[in-house]
Amino acid sequence: SQQGEEDPQALSIQEGENATMNCSYKTSINNLQWYRQNSGRGLVHLILIRSNEREKHSGRLRVTLDTSKKSSSLLITASRAADTASYFCATDGGTDKLIFGTGTRLQVFP
Amino acid sequence: NAGVMQNPRHLVRRRGQEARLRCSPMKGHSHVYWYRQLPEEGLKFMVYLQKENIIDESGMPKERFSAEFPKEGPSILRIQQVVRGDSAAYFCASSPPGQGGETQYFGPGTRLLVL
Repeated sequence: SQQGEEDPQALSIQEGENATMNCSYKTSINNLQWYRQNSGRGLVHLILIRSNEREKHSGRLRVTLDTSKKSSSLLITASRAADTASYFCATDGGTDKLIFGTGTRLQVFP
Repeated sequence: NAGVMQNPRHLVRRRGQEARLRCSPMKGHSHVYWYRQLPEEGLKFMVYLQKENIIDESGMPKERFSAEFPKEGPSILRIQQVVRGDSAAYFCASSPPGQGGETQYFGPGTRLLVL
């Protein structure tokens, strides 16, 4: 299977704390993306990082990419209850189809 | 500019029936992708289509599943003789030509329940 893996599978934190999620993938990539999915809803695109980039920021989000280790991390700083969702990484695998990780379920308690 | 639209949002079928899922891409997008999400799992690629053309169906089961994207109208994912294991959320995404590896916009999904 080409599917990547994310860890942890589930993460529970208090509001205000930081949340870090990791993603590993298997194939060479042109870019890696992170998506959020609220329970029972569709996917919302968060951020894209290209294979020649090592770090990227967007608001409270910070993404890193290590192509030598085929891994990425997503950091959400100063988390809020509204950040409660599942987070998925997705790679292009050098093609137009996206390969998703297994997801991290984040619960932020008020 | 309306986003990707999928209907129905929820679909209940009995074993052996047919399920038809529709996807209207964003305006100006000629590429459509279908993904399936089983409970508590990530999305898995099924098929990639352009107008009147299947580009990549490597993720689609060989039997009972078919997809089309006609010149006019929405893309259709058809599942014949559904079984309980087909119960899942089916997501459609669209992209402008040549940008599918970067920019895919997802619809809200169709949740199929097979009784």
